[in-house]
Amino acid sequence: AQRVTQPEKLLSVFKGAPVELKCNYSYSGSPELFWYVQYSRQRLQLLLRHISRESIKGFTADLNKGETSFHLKKPFAQEEDSAMYYCALENAGGTSYGKLTFGQGTILTVHP
Amino acid sequence: EPEVTQTPSHQVTQMGQEVILRCVPISNHLYFYWYRQILGQKVEFLVSFYNNEISEKSEIFDDQFSVERPDGSNFTLKIRSTKLEDSAMYFCASSDNQPQHFGDGTRLSIL
Repeated sequence: AQRVTQPEKLLSVFKGAPVELKCNYSYSGSPELFWYVQYSRQRLQLLLRHISRESIKGFTADLNKGETSFHLKKPFAQEEDSAMYYCALENAGGTSYGKLTFGQGTILTVHP
Repeated sequence: EPEVTQTPSHQVTQMGQEVILRCVPISNHLYFYWYRQILGQKVEFLVSFYNNEISEKSEIFDDQFSVERPDGSNFTLKIRSTKLEDSAMYFCASSDNQPQHFGDGTRLSIL
């Protein structure tokens, strides 16, 4: 069974500090991994997907298959980064038709 | 940018009543999903729908639940006889493969 673990429910940093939101997964196949963000009173929005290997809003995430991790990083956090962040995994093959398995979410608070 | 829209934003229903949650997916998308999030818990997959039929469902999605795409634009989730534990935020999502685009959600409160 696929599982996504985000060990930190809450994470607080000061503006300008580096931030890392942890995500570990367990999955036997070839996963696709995503980070979704939910700003206050807004919908879930895609932030990053591992196959695109891009940087969005200064965030990056690298898939480490050896450590089964997909941690989200930003070198200099901004106050507007305060939000709930969800790591999610999709079965890239088989017949799951895109079912996403989410982690518990991490609430990031960036203090001025 | 096109969006997934969900109505109503908040639904209050008596236990045992039927409820229908509505979603309008993005127009050229082919894959449709429902997820739910009980307060304080993670977002959980309920069901996926493709080519006018359910492609996958979770163990949460029992006989009380059904989905329908009645008119080619709406995608509905029906709960036949609601229970207190059905109280949650329900999210609709659609995609043309990946990524999935989510609606704002419907908060369902069962009294």
